Amino acid sequence: EAGVAQSPRYKIIEKRQSVAFWCNPISGHATLYWYQQILGQGPKLLIQFQNNGVVDDSQLPKDRFSAERLKGVDSTLKIQPAKLEDSAVYLCASSSRQGPPKLFFGSGTQLSVL
Amino acid sequence: GEDVEQSLFLSVREGDSSVINCTYTDSSSTYLYWYKQEPGAGLQLLTYIFSNMDMKQDQRLTVLLNKKDKHLSLRIADTQTGDSAIYFCAESMRDDKIIFGKGTRLHILP
Repeated sequence: EAGVAQSPRYKIIEKRQSVAFWCNPISGHATLYWYQQILGQGPKLLIQFQNNGVVDDSQLPKDRFSAERLKGVDSTLKIQPAKLEDSAVYLCASSSRQGPPKLFFGSGTQLSVL
Repeated sequence: GEDVEQSLFLSVREGDSSVINCTYTDSSSTYLYWYKQEPGAGLQLLTYIFSNMDMKQDQRLTVLLNKKDKHLSLRIADTQTGDSAIYFCAESMRDDKIIFGKGTRLHILP
């Protein structure tokens, strides 16, 4: 079974530029999560999708961050414009709706904002 | 409120047992988890426990849950160098929302 795929692996941009991250979840997983992990901290939930609907985006800075999950499969997370404090690893995870929610994570995208 | 607390560091001698502790605040959490993160990698699910259980054992891993005190622990028996990583405690909330702690970095001494 293929795991959660994320790209790019690394991204370096200057502040005020835009950036987008892509995630392909495990096939058949209805729930998709985007987390932000700042160095030395735990993952912070940004947004959670159930199929193509948003379940929770209470911690997403909506003035600059946006995310979509068209057709309930792949997802993109965009930052526009980026700030220095957005430097972090952006992790995508997915889970099925069967049994306890067990998250499977991708390797993440490491973003550096200069 | 939603909060998961863990100590940041733990050093253990190879071959000894490691015990990583966690406290959480939401008494309605259904499942509690332990995830492992190695350098440059995403998080990997190690084990989980249903909130109406108080213990779960899986090979070298033992999870203890004290629901009254909202305290979760992970014991790793016979700690090996490959166990060196960051361990995250997590709780599930309503609608399968998963909240993570800040992680405990486990360092193995020779």
